[in-house]
Amino acid sequence: AQSVTQPDIHITVSEGASLELRCNYSYGATPYLFWYVQSPGQGLQLLLKYFSGDTLVQGIKGFEAEFKRSQSSFNLRKPSVHWSDAAEYFCAVGPIQGAQKLVFGQGTRLTINP
Amino acid sequence: DTEVTQTPKHLVMGMTNKKSLKCEQHMGHRAMYWYKQKAKKPPELMFVYSYEKLSINESVPSRFSPECPNSSLLNLHLHALQPEDSALYLCASSPRAGNNEQFFGPGTRLTVL
Repeated sequence: AQSVTQPDIHITVSEGASLELRCNYSYGATPYLFWYVQSPGQGLQLLLKYFSGDTLVQGIKGFEAEFKRSQSSFNLRKPSVHWSDAAEYFCAVGPIQGAQKLVFGQGTRLTINP
Repeated sequence: DTEVTQTPKHLVMGMTNKKSLKCEQHMGHRAMYWYKQKAKKPPELMFVYSYEKLSINESVPSRFSPECPNSSLLNLHLHALQPEDSALYLCASSPRAGNNEQFFGPGTRLTVL
């Protein structure tokens, strides 16, 4: 069955430090992969997506992610975080069973220390 | 217009009330979704509409009734809800069937008393 694992429930980094959020997936074919960010009480905003092609994907707000098929991973990175990056981050994979469904990971909560 | 809008932002209702949540997009997207999100959890898919037809119902209780009047609008009618239905309800849309890139609205915070 398709699944997404985000191993880190909560990460704390200092402002200006680099960031890597981990995402591992289980999927029978080449997946579509997504990273979303959610601020408290808000909807989800798409940061970046991977469908095919270049395995290093650039997104909004200075984020990037790298698709590694051999490791079934799609980790999110940012070279220098800002206090405004504090939020919940969700990795997602689709389509599911040929349908327009996404499977989300459990999320990683990012806290930024000043 | 590149956003999904949802109304109301907050809703408080009793267990005997009937209310509706509304979602609108003007991006020409042909698939629209309802999700339920509890605190500190990922969104859970409830319904998918594709080309204005219900294509996925994730075994949602009948007290939730979706409606897609046209390609831009999606409603969720609520009746006889339970306190455990209190959650953030998110609407999303995607460009076409088979394209899983979903754009989310800000959500409606529902409290059932």
